[in-house]
Amino acid sequence: QMQLHESGPGLVKPSETLSLTCNVSGDSMRRYTTYYWSIIRQPPGRGLEWVAYVHFSGSTNYNPSLNSRVTISMDTSKNQFSMKLTSVTAADTAVYYCARAVSQLRGDFWYISLWGRGTLVTVSS
Amino acid sequence: EIVLTQSPGTLSVSPGERATLSCRASQTVPSTYLAWYQQKRGQPPRLLIYGASMRATGIPDRFSGSGSESDFTLTISRLEPEDFAVYYCQQFGDSTWTFGQGTKVEIK
Repeated sequence: QMQLHESGPGLVKPSETLSLTCNVSGDSMRRYTTYYWSIIRQPPGRGLEWVAYVHFSGSTNYNPSLNSRVTISMDTSKNQFSMKLTSVTAADTAVYYCARAVSQLRGDFWYISLWGRGTLVTVSS
Repeated sequence: EIVLTQSPGTLSVSPGERATLSCRASQTVPSTYLAWYQQKRGQPPRLLIYGASMRATGIPDRFSGSGSESDFTLTISRLEPEDFAVYYCQQFGDSTWTFGQGTKVEIK
């Protein structure tokens, strides 16, 4: 059964770059063309915010609120996907989740069917 | 960007009672693009409902979803102790996926 595991720095200094890796275990990412590999974050005590996704085709999409600071990529040979967020501030402090969104062809349903446990990233000097 | 507004912010309900949660969109969302999640403290969200009304695998039938266009509802028919949590709606209707701000269901 597929699982997602986040690997993050824990602590990042303001103005630096946050790098997050999501490792996929239990199955091969390249088998699925209907999955959108996603990053979602949640500031402490607050709600969920979608950050970005990458698709097997190489297409990507980003939350415009992040002002082009974010890039996402995937490496199917390593069965992982990764995110970089530049010029971080305290507002980027959050639990970052790796997630698998599904575009179910039959019925055109969309939903997030799998989440990692999340990793807290704190931005502080 | 489609804004999702959930109400109420907090719902105080006794076990065994019914809970009705609302999710209103700033513009029309195709029903197939609307999902509901449950999140307990310290855990990632869990998919409850997709396609506005389709229960995800393993979700008890006391959870039901309804609605269309810009007005969606999650109903928990008889609250069990494990149902006290925060609930989020999410839409995939345009290029920016968004979540509602959440409704906390607490024990009355």
